[in-house]
Amino acid sequence: DVKVTQSSRYLVKRTGEKVFLECVQDMDHENMFWYRQDPGLGLRLIYFSYDVKMKEKGDIPEGYSVSREKKERFSLILESASTNQTSMYLCASSFGTGLTYEQYFGPGTRLTVT
Amino acid sequence: DAKTTQPTSMDCAEGRAANLPCNHSTISGNEYVYWYRQIHSQGPQYIIHGLKNNETNEMASLIITEDRKSSTLILPHATLRDTAVYYCIVPDYHTGSARQLTFGSGTQLTVLP
Repeated sequence: DVKVTQSSRYLVKRTGEKVFLECVQDMDHENMFWYRQDPGLGLRLIYFSYDVKMKEKGDIPEGYSVSREKKERFSLILESASTNQTSMYLCASSFGTGLTYEQYFGPGTRLTVT
Repeated sequence: DAKTTQPTSMDCAEGRAANLPCNHSTISGNEYVYWYRQIHSQGPQYIIHGLKNNETNEMASLIITEDRKSSTLILPHATLRDTAVYYCIVPDYHTGSARQLTFGSGTQLTVLP
């Protein structure tokens, strides 16, 4: 089974703090994604990466950055956390370089910024 | 993404088949239908996808009509653990945000004991 793990299930941070969310997948997938999910707004893509050291912006990259130094690990960084970044953050991975929407998600990190 | 329409909610008795419909009348000839589900407070889970032939895996079956304008996800023997929101998605391969998943409102399936 594909396993995508995220570093924390719940996280509470203060406004202005730098926040690191880690995601690791064990299936040698090329593609990795960071989404946030908010009630009424659905799933929104923040960034994705289709190879090591490669990244592309999604629909809502402002206030976030990412890092992919190893194939299995994709990190999301909130440079200076703000209350409007309180959300559920979901990491996903998928196989292949073609267009595939068969994505495998981690359990999510519920981040609260106070 | 091609627009999909799903019922807001459905109930199913435990042990019975759950049939979840989805309309996607604007689907193009080369667009796949994907199904995901999300159990409360967990990450989404991929279930199955198909183009025009019926598909089956260990989780579910997907029946796509011949005109491809609708499909049905079938959970053959629903259990309480199948209670979740089920999303039918037809990703748009032609926009700039390739590989991005967009979930609509989905169908809340409640499996009753």
